[in-house]
Amino acid sequence: GAGVSQTPSNKVTEKGKYVELRCDPISGHTALYWYRQSLGQGPEFLIYFQGTGAADDSGLPNDRFFAVRPEGSVSTLKIQRTERGDSAVYLCASSLIGEVGAKTFFGQGTRLTVV
Amino acid sequence: GQQVMQIPQYQHVQEGEDFTTYCNSSTTLSNIQWYKQRPGGHPVFLIQLVKSGEVKKQKRLTFQFGEAKKNSSLHITATQTTDVGTYFCAGPGAGGTSYGKLTFGQGTILTVHP
Repeated sequence: GAGVSQTPSNKVTEKGKYVELRCDPISGHTALYWYRQSLGQGPEFLIYFQGTGAADDSGLPNDRFFAVRPEGSVSTLKIQRTERGDSAVYLCASSLIGEVGAKTFFGQGTRLTVV
Repeated sequence: GQQVMQIPQYQHVQEGEDFTTYCNSSTTLSNIQWYKQRPGGHPVFLIQLVKSGEVKKQKRLTFQFGEAKKNSSLHITATQTTDVGTYFCAGPGAGGTSYGKLTFGQGTILTVHP
């Protein structure tokens, strides 16, 4: 596609429920990142995929968060037993290659609200 | 770990006035990137600086990278209402990563009064 696509754009869920957030990166981009942005803050790194593998998941806050990229393209961020503190905008980003300084393109984000 | 601090947090200007935001890192950066996020939007890449003392211009925007590669600034001349948004600087992730993980500053929210 022309840009990084994320679905849904908004998600409201009840505390304790499971959610999946989808990211479709720019075609041909091998590097994919997930970030989380809280109100008034800059994006915070969650996880990085190079191809199909999660090369760095050091930003995932706890084991309720998990992400996959089975075919090296679309990625899904999964959150189990959601908590109100998980409410934020989840941004997906991709770059052609995973190297320092590579131009990074962000999707519009999924606004997750846990009630 | 590495921190990227950005000031000011907010800046309100009259249209036509200049605007500057500053970014400081606790460690030397191999490069720094700047992003703009419009209200309700997503971060959009503006520029990357790599060299010590580097200065780059994009129309009314001037970006500088400090000699020690620990600070950077973005200056907008004669602001317009279209400049409204949050400006973020971002450095490479901590730990000497070899890929494009970014550490963002808190951002400077710019409002422009017509």
